[in-house]
Amino acid sequence: QKEVEQNSGPLSVPEGAIASLNCTYSDRGSQSFFWYRQYSGKSPELIMFIYSNGDKEDGRFTAQLNKASQYVSLLIRDSQPSDSATYLCAVGGSSNTGKLIFGQGTTLQVKP
Amino acid sequence: DTAVSQTPKYLVTQMGNDKSIKCEQNLGHDTMYWYKQDSKKFLKIMFSYNNKELIINETVPNRFSPKSPDKAHLNLHINSLELGDSAVYFCASSQGLGQTAYGYTFGSGTRLTVV
Repeated sequence: QKEVEQNSGPLSVPEGAIASLNCTYSDRGSQSFFWYRQYSGKSPELIMFIYSNGDKEDGRFTAQLNKASQYVSLLIRDSQPSDSATYLCAVGGSSNTGKLIFGQGTTLQVKP
Repeated sequence: DTAVSQTPKYLVTQMGNDKSIKCEQNLGHDTMYWYKQDSKKFLKIMFSYNNKELIINETVPNRFSPKSPDKAHLNLHINSLELGDSAVYFCASSQGLGQTAYGYTFGSGTRLTVV
């Protein structure tokens, strides 16, 4: 079992729709969770982080965390073609090293 | 002002050569990292340093040697390059080590191609 798992996609949604990206993790002691966006040929860019169970909203983005189910998700409302990218889920493990474990990423395609 | 800068951006070299990648951050962060991203976009940690002290040394061939002269710099030297070393190498930094560290800031990456 991979430490952090995501569907590689591609996930294709029409412009204006809600895109839902999912991530599961194996270390039950994990306490910090991040979503990065990576455009082709560019570096990952932090878009959301969440530490507590529940929802966290920032503009069109909502991160959801359920520690009991070891599940993190990212919702993108009113998806735009500029949201087309690979979304990486990253989990801070239970060791106090700053190490982030990344999933393999989900490619999102938003079609005009 | 680039927050985390890496040089070079592209590196093409022959098998068996030795090469270095440099990284500098001006964010005042305490911790710096090297990650390797393979062709399937999978990012895997290699090393991390906190205030010049080695914290993480994952299962990486000893041909890879990091060096941190101060907390703003983390360099990566690779000896005897192999075809399998071809990847994008990202430097990153973060404030602290704890669970409340606010994620990483990544450099622009170095695309290494070994021929």
